[in-house]
Amino acid sequence: DSGVTQTPKHLITATGQRVTLRCSPRSGDLSVYWYQQSLDQGLQFLIQYYNGEERAKGNILERFSAQQFPDLHSELNLSSLELGDSALYFCASSVEGGSLYGYTFGSGTRLTVV
Amino acid sequence: KNQVEQSPQSLIILEGKNCTLQCNYTVSPFSNLRWYKQDTGRGPVSLTIMTFSENTKSNGRYTATLDADTKQSSLHITASQLSDSASYICVVIGTGGYNKLIFGAGTRLAVHP
Repeated sequence: DSGVTQTPKHLITATGQRVTLRCSPRSGDLSVYWYQQSLDQGLQFLIQYYNGEERAKGNILERFSAQQFPDLHSELNLSSLELGDSALYFCASSVEGGSLYGYTFGSGTRLTVV
Repeated sequence: KNQVEQSPQSLIILEGKNCTLQCNYTVSPFSNLRWYKQDTGRGPVSLTIMTFSENTKSNGRYTATLDADTKQSSLHITASQLSDSASYICVVIGTGGYNKLIFGAGTRLAVHP
């Protein structure tokens, strides 16, 4: 157990629907990062939050949004889902806002859009 | 364009054998390079982290090397075990923090008995 908890582990939904993925960071970590990993692809950075505030955006679609709550857990909202959104979504957390000290990944949420 | 390319894309070896995975990058400026192991359906787990000034770093049967001049890194796995079957991802971090993380597509290793 890495200490980063992601729920649900699996999600199957239809095109056009909206889903919410949840991430609880490791205890003491202030930063949360979201990544998307499509089949046989590398991880793509989506967005980062640090202590409740958005720190940076990567290749995140306008249909996607995220937030980090006062208790530091984060949610990634995916709307108007398309077949191409099917992927593994990983959350990672770190103590500080940068990346130099490394971070810990959760086990991911596998999203299947049918 | 900042890129990280890994080779081979996939590899099959017999249990007990050694193997070497390659990572070439064009990320600049460079901060550090990491190798992660990702089991199927699981999150990546860090194996090694190397800064610009480090040439080699070991973690048990895993040894990573870095040549910052040629922008190449390798991950050598010694005496492979069935549990080594996984994807190995090279991640290069440029200066400037989180948004300079560039992930390679990974090498999928299968260790057969």
